[in-house]
Amino acid sequence: DTAVSQTPKYLVTQMGNDKSIKCEQNLGHDTMYWYKQDSKKFLKIMFSYNNKELIINETVPNRFSPKSPDKAHLNLHINSLELGDSAVYFCASSPPRKTGYNTGYTFGSGTRLTVV
Amino acid sequence: AQSVTQLGSHVSVSEGALVLLRCNYSSSVPPYLFWYVQYPNQGLQLLLKYTSAATLVKGINGFEAEFKKSETSFHLTKPSAHMSDAAEYFCAVSEVLDTGRRALTFGSGTRLQVQP
Repeated sequence: DTAVSQTPKYLVTQMGNDKSIKCEQNLGHDTMYWYKQDSKKFLKIMFSYNNKELIINETVPNRFSPKSPDKAHLNLHINSLELGDSAVYFCASSPPRKTGYNTGYTFGSGTRLTVV
Repeated sequence: AQSVTQLGSHVSVSEGALVLLRCNYSSSVPPYLFWYVQYPNQGLQLLLKYTSAATLVKGINGFEAEFKKSETSFHLTKPSAHMSDAAEYFCAVSEVLDTGRRALTFGSGTRLQVQP
């Protein structure tokens, strides 16, 4: 199936730990994103990569570090997890920027991170 | 910068009744507008998009939205609600961020409840 897939779907961890979330898309898209959805369902962009180049970094703490080994993968590593990091993290992808403006994004099913 | 405002965080309708979810945008240039649906514990699915080709846009699952420039609105409608329509609905705009890069910015969401 063509899709954006994220792993893991659920992640429960203790404060202070380091964790990673992986994302892969097989849609042939050039651009990938990480969004954070808080407990009130508000969605906010965190990062975007285009062909392995970081193009958006939206006032996210340095504890969050995205990595894109190739244009089909975008991982999110979080150091020293805090209670406030608890949220659902969505990966998304879109076609090349010139055509992607009006095609919308394809989202993964999300990773629910709970920090205890 | 553009933004979207969704009026009403919760909307409740009876099965078979008209669904109307409101979205207003602020923009001085023609926007790219989208509606997404999020079912419980799932990712976001694109319902429909406005890309200036036609003001009345038809989407999946019987939904449609009308772009009204004079009202800066892009309300989502469905003539007859079905129980399976119960979900969170997000209006989004493709906008240029302060960094000069373009990304989808989402409204705060509207939860649709369908009563039997």
